[in-house]
Amino acid sequence: DAGVIQSPRHEVTEMGQEVTLRCKPISGHDYLFWYRQTMMRGLELLIYFNNNVPIDDSGMPEDRFSAKMPNASFSTLKIQPSEPRDSAVYFCASSFGSRVGGYTFGSGTRLTVV
Amino acid sequence: SQQGEEDPQALSIQEGENATMNCSYKTSINNLQWYRQNSGRGLVHLILIRSNEREKHSGRLRVTLDTSKKSSSLLITASRAADTASYFCATALNTGGFKTIFGAGTRLFVKA
Repeated sequence: DAGVIQSPRHEVTEMGQEVTLRCKPISGHDYLFWYRQTMMRGLELLIYFNNNVPIDDSGMPEDRFSAKMPNASFSTLKIQPSEPRDSAVYFCASSFGSRVGGYTFGSGTRLTVV
Repeated sequence: SQQGEEDPQALSIQEGENATMNCSYKTSINNLQWYRQNSGRGLVHLILIRSNEREKHSGRLRVTLDTSKKSSSLLITASRAADTASYFCATALNTGGFKTIFGAGTRLFVKA
C-alpha cells in the first residue's frame, strides 16, 4: 500500500481564493482525520469521519472551512475564502477500527496564503 | 490548553545515550500513543499503550503509563543520530468518540 496520499504537497495562494486539499486514505481504513499543524498551536484536530460520515467537526475553525468524504477512498478539505492565518501544514490521517492502533499520516500539504 | 503536554520541550544528547520524554494529560483516556515526526514530514506512529497497561516495549522504545498521575514516559535507549526528530504524545479521550489530541511535542537532537 502506498500509504495515505495527500495532494498537493505545497500550495501558495492569494488571500480570498478557494483552496482544496485532497486525501486518499489507506484502503480498508474506516476512519479519516484532518489535522492542522502550526508553530503556535501545534497539531489541531479539525474533523474526522467514520465510514465516510463526519462524526466530529468541532475543530473546524470557521464556516470558511468545509470537508467532505464522498467515498471511502477520497476526502477533501476546502477553505473558501482563504486568509493568511490559514497558512499551516494540513495533514490527513487514517486508521482501521476504533482505538485498535495508531494513525497513518500523509506527508501533509503546506499551505501558504499571501 | 493542550490535553497532552510533553516535557522537556527540547532535548539534546550524545549518540548512545538514553533519551527520556514525558507526557502529562488532564482527562480520562482510552489509550495513549507516541509519534515521531522528522522535519518536513508526516507523523509516524511508534507505539500505543492502553489505559489498563503500565508498560510496553518496542525495539529500543519503552513506554510507561501511570493513569493515577495522568502521565506517560517514552524512553529511547542507545540513541542514534537518526532518532533526531520531534516526538509527540497523543491521547485518545475516553468520551465515547474517537478524538485523539496531540501534545506540543519534544524536539530531540542526537549528536553523532
